[in-house]
This record gives sequence, C-alpha cells and structure tokens, in this order.
Amino acid sequence: RKEVEQDPGPFNVPEGATVAFNCTYSNSASQSFFWYRQDCRKEPKLLMSVYSSGNEDGRFTAQLNRASQYISLLIRDSKLSDSATYLCVVGRGGTYKYIFGTGTRLKVLA
Amino acid sequence: DAGVIQSPRHEVTEMGQEVTLRCKPISGHDYLFWYRQTMMRGLELLIYFNNNVPIDDSGMPEDRFSAKMPNASFSTLKIQPSEPRDSAVYFCASSLHSFNEKLFFGSGTQLSVL
Repeated sequence: RKEVEQDPGPFNVPEGATVAFNCTYSNSASQSFFWYRQDCRKEPKLLMSVYSSGNEDGRFTAQLNRASQYISLLIRDSKLSDSATYLCVVGRGGTYKYIFGTGTRLKVLA
Repeated sequence: DAGVIQSPRHEVTEMGQEVTLRCKPISGHDYLFWYRQTMMRGLELLIYFNNNVPIDDSGMPEDRFSAKMPNASFSTLKIQPSEPRDSAVYFCASSLHSFNEKLFFGSGTQLSVL
C-alpha cells in the first residue's frame, strides 16, 4: 500500500462546477499536509497548506481528517485555468520527508 | 529572486554512460531535496540535505546513484552507469529552515537513457 494515495482521475468537469478530491495517508505520525498543483511539463507549485481546522483560499478549501487519515481539496466555480494535476503531499512527523501522492488530474471543460 | 536553477533541462544519453544533474538552490534555503518523477510512480524522494549534509538517502534506488552538496549553493546528482529505467524527470527543490515550509522546485531535468 502506498503511503499517500489519490484517485488519478481524470475528473472532467464543466466550467463553474464544484469538484472535490480526496487523498488518504497511511502514516499516523504525519504532521504536515499540503496540496500542490502541477501543470503539464512543469514543476509542482504549492497551492495551499492544510491545517487541522480546515482553511480556505478564495475558491479553494482544504480539510484534514486525522481520525480517518485523509485530506480533501474542494474547488468551487471551476475555471479553465484550474486544469492541472493536483498533488497531495504529506510530511512525516519529525522529519523533512515530504511524500507526494501520484496526483489527481483535473480537466475543466468550456 | 532566480528561484531554484537546474541544468541541463534535457539530457539524452546512452546506456552505460555517466550522467550528472546540477542544482542551485535559492539563496538562504537550508534544505535541498532531489526527487524523481515517472508516470508510474509519481514523485519519489531520492535524498535530502540540511546545511549541505545528507540527512536521508533511503530513497536512492541503488549504488549507481550518488548525490553531493559541496557548498550551500550547489548540488549534483550522478548516475553511473545509467540504464534505460532511469529515464524520468529529476527535480531539485529547496526550502527554508523551518518545519512546514513549502518546497520551491526547479524546472526539472528530463533524462532519457537510450
């Protein structure tokens, strides 16, 4: 079993739709959580950190459920420019080891 | 700020040849990471350094891979001898000294071993 698992997709949604991704992690000692975005043939870039209380940044909302060991990303009012691969990242407790999921691909359709 | 700089952007080589990938982290960043990305396995952490010292190299696939960081502004990842299964995109990333800091990635090196 992979340490961080994501549904690879693709998720094909129309513009304006709301879409949600989940990511599960297996190491209960994990302490930090992030969502990164990666465009085709580009490097990953931080989208947002995920805090225990949940957090929102514009159209994006991230949630953490420690009991069930998953994090989620909700995108409201999807734009064409949101089309990308979204990578779930989990940091192992006490280390700087950041483990990436294989990503969920999103396509927003006109 | 120039960001993390990697070279070369593309490398095509023949099986058995030595390959050296280079990385210049962002000035002032204490941590440097080498990742490899493939379609099948996604982004895999190979090794990371703190203040030029290798901290965890458990992700290095085998003895053919080695990494060095001779100073705070330069790191190399070497593969000798290279094999076709090493073909991937290799990313270097750096971060500040605090836990929970975000990673800044370079543009990556696309390696093709024929």
